[in-house]
Amino acid sequence: EAQVTQNPRYLITVTGKKLTVTCSQNMNHEYMSWYRQDPGLGLRQIYYSMNVEVTDKGDVPEGYKVSRKEKRNFPLILESPSPNQTSLYFCASSLLVSGVYNEQFFGPGTRLTVL
Amino acid sequence: AQTVTQSQPEMSVQEAETVTLSCTYDTSESNYYLFWYKQPPSRQMILVIRQEAYKQQNATENRFSVNFQKAAKSFSLKISDSQLGDTAMYFCAFLTNFGNEKLTFGTGTRLTIIP
Repeated sequence: EAQVTQNPRYLITVTGKKLTVTCSQNMNHEYMSWYRQDPGLGLRQIYYSMNVEVTDKGDVPEGYKVSRKEKRNFPLILESPSPNQTSLYFCASSLLVSGVYNEQFFGPGTRLTVL
Repeated sequence: AQTVTQSQPEMSVQEAETVTLSCTYDTSESNYYLFWYKQPPSRQMILVIRQEAYKQQNATENRFSVNFQKAAKSFSLKISDSQLGDTAMYFCAFLTNFGNEKLTFGTGTRLTIIP
């Protein structure tokens, strides 16, 4: 089944304790992206990647890191989480065919609480 | 920069009635796509309908249709014969197919279908 998976689905942690949220897709997509969803703000892009070893900042990258060592995986790293990073996180992926619509597929979301 | 505005934070409607959700956007691009996403309590992001800016004909998907007014930069979603399963958060989103495939989201409208 074609899908985007995220782990963990729920995480409660404490300020300053490094964590990684994994994202994996099995559709051979070049493009992957992370969003965070906050009440009253909708979803905002954190980082994106257009292929292996190619990543760039989105609109709200502060406090986050990403890597793209393999095409299927795009982990989100919080080196020193803070309470303002409490949010619902989504990973998304798509093909990257220029000039045509490439549907983005979303993962199920990760609910992160930083105490 | 592109912006998407949803001015109705919450709406409710009786089952089987028709409801329209509003969305306006701002962009200087000529080629773009507009979307409505549904987020039920499961938090999954589900694509409801999409509209290509170059198409004058309004998109329809079963009970869901849009009213796309390009000059006014308006993109409303009409849900006909509403069902209890339509209860969800609805996000309007915008995408330009150049470089970063970033979706720009509105702040969402929480729709409740009343039995």
